[in-house]
Amino acid sequence: SAVISQKPSRDICQRGTSLTIQCQVDSQVTMMFWYRQQPGQSLTLIATANQGSEATYESGFVIDKFPISRPNLTFSTLTVSNMSPEDSSIYLCSADVPTGKSYEQYFGPGTRLTVT
Amino acid sequence: LAKTTQPISMDSYEGQEVNITCSHNNIATNDYITWYQQFPSQGPRFIIQGYKTKVTNEVASLFIPADRKSSTLSLPRVSLSDTAVYYCLVGGLLSNDYKLSFGAGTTVTVRA
Repeated sequence: SAVISQKPSRDICQRGTSLTIQCQVDSQVTMMFWYRQQPGQSLTLIATANQGSEATYESGFVIDKFPISRPNLTFSTLTVSNMSPEDSSIYLCSADVPTGKSYEQYFGPGTRLTVT
Repeated sequence: LAKTTQPISMDSYEGQEVNITCSHNNIATNDYITWYQQFPSQGPRFIIQGYKTKVTNEVASLFIPADRKSSTLSLPRVSLSDTAVYYCLVGGLLSNDYKLSFGAGTTVTVRA
């Protein structure tokens, strides 16, 4: 298993500013992921972050808007840049823990972002 | 990514068994089936994972028929605290779909 923490747990930000969300895993993991979840909706994958390589972004998400860092095997950051009210959402990070032939994915508690 | 289809919502009462069926007609040979539970204001929590036949843990059972085109999550004797959204996902290490794609999920409401 893995325990994942995120900072901050919530924030209220002004339009046009940027926020960096930190994700810490209590063990070394190869693959980490960032998701966005609008209230009452399902999770949408933003990008995959592997240590030592650039993040891979899903359709509709770009590096300029959501730059990601993955400096080591236990840590990643997601920055939400030049924020607008449409960016208000819950942002979750997750990590894959191998279990033989498959993975179990563990999630952080999420960061609730409100942009005014 | 293999697409999944599950009911939008289910209602139950305390003490009853809840069975949620998920369809995944395009599941690949190397895909595993995984179920997650999510409470409001929390990240999803891993419940159970299986490849074929039946898997049981302390929380739930997962039934997978031979053709693997569907799976059923069984929650025995639910309580009010089992009210949550349940997601069915397919993917796995040996397939290219190691990243998980979340569908709409099933909102399970348990009433007293």
